[in-house]
Amino acid sequence: DAGVIQSPRHEVTEMGQEVTLRCKPISGHDYLFWYRQTMMRGLELLIYFNNNVPIDDSGMPEDRFSAKMPNASFSTLKIQPSEPRDSAVYFCASSPARSGGRETQYFGPGTRLLVL
Amino acid sequence: GQQVMQIPQYQHVQEGEDFTTYCNSSTTLSNIQWYKQRPGGHPVFLIQLVKSGEVKKQKRLTFQFGEAKKNSSLHITATQTTDVGTYFCAGMLKGGSEKLVFGKGTKLTVNP
Repeated sequence: DAGVIQSPRHEVTEMGQEVTLRCKPISGHDYLFWYRQTMMRGLELLIYFNNNVPIDDSGMPEDRFSAKMPNASFSTLKIQPSEPRDSAVYFCASSPARSGGRETQYFGPGTRLLVL
Repeated sequence: GQQVMQIPQYQHVQEGEDFTTYCNSSTTLSNIQWYKQRPGGHPVFLIQLVKSGEVKKQKRLTFQFGEAKKNSSLHITATQTTDVGTYFCAGMLKGGSEKLVFGKGTKLTVNP
């Protein structure tokens, strides 16, 4: 299995531009999570999906952030307009369906975003 | 809101010394997971603890889950340079949510 795939791996953009991050979860996994990691705030859950449906988006910082999962093999996280404080590493993770317990999460390599 | 506190934030050890990181939750957890992130890498799952008082070992690593299911620890015996990285605990709330709340992590450096 290729694991969770994220693109791009690095993104440098200017303030005000739209940024789209992409994620392909592990095939067969029912859960998809978007995280943001910074030195100051650590690893924060932004939103997660179950079977393509957003379940909890309470971590999405503001309306400039939106996430979609049009099908089981693809999700996007969009920032519009981007701001310098959005600079961070964004991770996507996926998890198989529950089977009597809570499942581990498999993280992608991350997208390193720098907003100038 | 739900918080998971992890200490220490940083730990520097000489190779061969032991290392411990501690995790505390403000509320009772359904389970706790531990992840390791190498410099420049992504978090990688190490282990999951579910039962009250559970202890699990992976070679030199020992993981414990407290009796009240609010705290956990990871102990590494005789550290090696390959242990370098940031260790995160992540707690899952009771009640059916799949949401993991991560601690800030403990960054371990090992001097050879």
